[in-house]
Amino acid sequence: GQQLNQSPQSMFIQEGEDVSMNCTSSSIFNTWLWYKQDPGEGPVLLIALYKAGELTSNGRLTAQFGITRKDSFLNISASIPSDVGIYFCAVTPSGGGADGLTFGKGTHLIIQP
Amino acid sequence: ETGVTQSPTHLIKTRGQQVTLRCSSQSGHNTVSWYQQALGQGPQFIFQYYREEENGRGNFPPRFSGLQFPNYSSELNVNALELDDSALYLCASSLWAARGNTIYFGEGSWLTVV
Repeated sequence: GQQLNQSPQSMFIQEGEDVSMNCTSSSIFNTWLWYKQDPGEGPVLLIALYKAGELTSNGRLTAQFGITRKDSFLNISASIPSDVGIYFCAVTPSGGGADGLTFGKGTHLIIQP
Repeated sequence: ETGVTQSPTHLIKTRGQQVTLRCSSQSGHNTVSWYQQALGQGPQFIFQYYREEENGRGNFPPRFSGLQFPNYSSELNVNALELDDSALYLCASSLWAARGNTIYFGEGSWLTVV
């Protein structure tokens, strides 16, 4: 089935640092999504990307839909303690409709004080 | 707060037993999807319900089944539980063929099989 390769698997950073993570696939997709999941909660959508080359921001978060439609990255600027959590990329099925989202394995962000 | 509520939040079952998990979708949403998230993994699509029928399924065996009710709420049933079924089960609600930014997840039900 479809597989998303998300990296890095985990990141240990200092508060205030910028963060970058990415997701790649061997297949083309029409939508890339970035989610954050806090412990004990469900994933919450951060950014949705619908067009190749699209660059979208949400506060300190910026994500881009790769021009080849096979990748995406998420950047977080000036990290703060509440940014701690697991970040997932996800794609919608190429055919649309009845198939669910495919998720990467996640990037675990840990911020050291 | 997504408006998607799941119950129970935690439960423990014995191998071979059956379990039912419940989900109330966000008001106005007519589609419910279920996902299994094992520890350290991303969520994996189980199936989706629209108009009270299953209309999309991931790579899960038939012992995973579901229902959707006229009020769009849903149940996930798992028969003959196996140890590997231990996971967080997430429900997501949306409108049919929704764009990605209108899919909302509940907080999940933690299932432990012993």
